[in-house]
Amino acid sequence: AQSVSQHNHHVILSEAASLELGCNYSYGGTVNLFWYVQYPGQHLQLLLKYFSGDPLVKGIKGFEAEFIKSKFSFNLRKPSVQWSDTAEYFCAVNAPHLNTGKLIFGQGTTLQVKP
Amino acid sequence: NAGVMQNPRHLVRRRGQEARLRCSPMKGHSHVYWYRQLPEEGLKFMVYLQKENIIDESGMPKERFSAEFPKEGPSILRIQQVVRGDSAAYFCASSPPGTSGSYEQYFGPGTRLTVT
Repeated sequence: AQSVSQHNHHVILSEAASLELGCNYSYGGTVNLFWYVQYPGQHLQLLLKYFSGDPLVKGIKGFEAEFIKSKFSFNLRKPSVQWSDTAEYFCAVNAPHLNTGKLIFGQGTTLQVKP
Repeated sequence: NAGVMQNPRHLVRRRGQEARLRCSPMKGHSHVYWYRQLPEEGLKFMVYLQKENIIDESGMPKERFSAEFPKEGPSILRIQQVVRGDSAAYFCASSPPGTSGSYEQYFGPGTRLTVT
């Protein structure tokens, strides 16, 4: 069965610090990969996605993620965080050949950025 | 273009009552997904529906839970005889037709169900 693991449950950073959130999945086949963000009191929004092609994908608000197939990883990065990046971040995986749209989510990482 | 709409946003039910959660997908979207988020956990897939069809209900509890997406109107997630353990945030997502799930999903604001 597919599963997604986010190793950091709670991260606290100061503004301008660099961010890397880990995401590993367990599935041997082709996958689509996503990072979603949930700001306080808001719904989930897509930050970025990987379907195929260049393994380094750029998303909104300066975020990027790198798909490393050999490591089954899709880590999220941002070179310099802002207070407004305080939110919960979710990594998710989908197996497209199964023809079910279900996303398997990680447990989430709460990011707190101190001004 | 309105996003995914869910109502109610907050729902309080006593144990044993029924809860009905509604989801209107984005305009033009024909795929609907329901997820549940328990406290301190990530989102867990429940069910994937297309118009008048349940495609994948592998995440639905076997009893008390049902879902539909009729030809007209919103998708409904129904929980009968609610128990305290059903207290959670329930999120709906939608995606465009013809994608067989291989597309990003757009999420609604969620319904927070509290069972007293």
